[in-house]
Amino acid sequence: SQQGEEDPQALSIQEGENATMNCSYKTSINNLQWYRQNSGRGLVHLILIRSNEREKHSGRLRVTLDTSKKSSSLLITASRAADTASYFCATFTGGGNKLTFGTGTQLKVEL
Amino acid sequence: DAGVIQSPRHEVTEMGQEVTLRCKPISGHNSLFWYRQTMMRGLELLIYFNNNVPIDDSGMPEDRFSAKMPNASFSTLKIQPSEPRDSAVYFCASSPPDREGYTFGSGTRLTVV
Repeated sequence: SQQGEEDPQALSIQEGENATMNCSYKTSINNLQWYRQNSGRGLVHLILIRSNEREKHSGRLRVTLDTSKKSSSLLITASRAADTASYFCATFTGGGNKLTFGTGTQLKVEL
Repeated sequence: DAGVIQSPRHEVTEMGQEVTLRCKPISGHNSLFWYRQTMMRGLELLIYFNNNVPIDDSGMPEDRFSAKMPNASFSTLKIQPSEPRDSAVYFCASSPPDREGYTFGSGTRLTVV
């Protein structure tokens, strides 16, 4: 079963705009990770945020985590056509000792 | 490092045939995971190994599926006999002991006709 649910399912924006994707999950977590998947390829790890962190930055990526609401958001600033991909959140629960992926957001950045 | 290496990249087989998917994890990673991705069910964890030992195979759909990890540098996922509903992309991933970031292979696209 899916631990995370991403919202929206699909997002289309113009190059240069910001893209925000949200993830909600159900159980307590140790950390939450975001991955990118280009069409026909494997997933690529983007960023990890621990349960005791509220915000993290990496280049044009900004991730927030609200454990009280069991939700996270991924912001991509100044988007580029190359950012077109599916983005997945994944939660790591220590008890389960495994990563469970959400349903993904398909992002399309148009020129 | 060449990353996680999966073979074959594509496999087309007839229903009832045996299929074997292969994975070479990143050297030094002690955990290995097999995922299946379909449009209907998204990414599903099938099984994972820690230090070559299967830890959780609760995601393996049926007895037709089996996985082995004979050593730290090789794992196989076998489907016998294969069925059309097994058609999917199968991913192998590995992670270091801290589990902070999985590295995925490019996947095997399996089509069972």
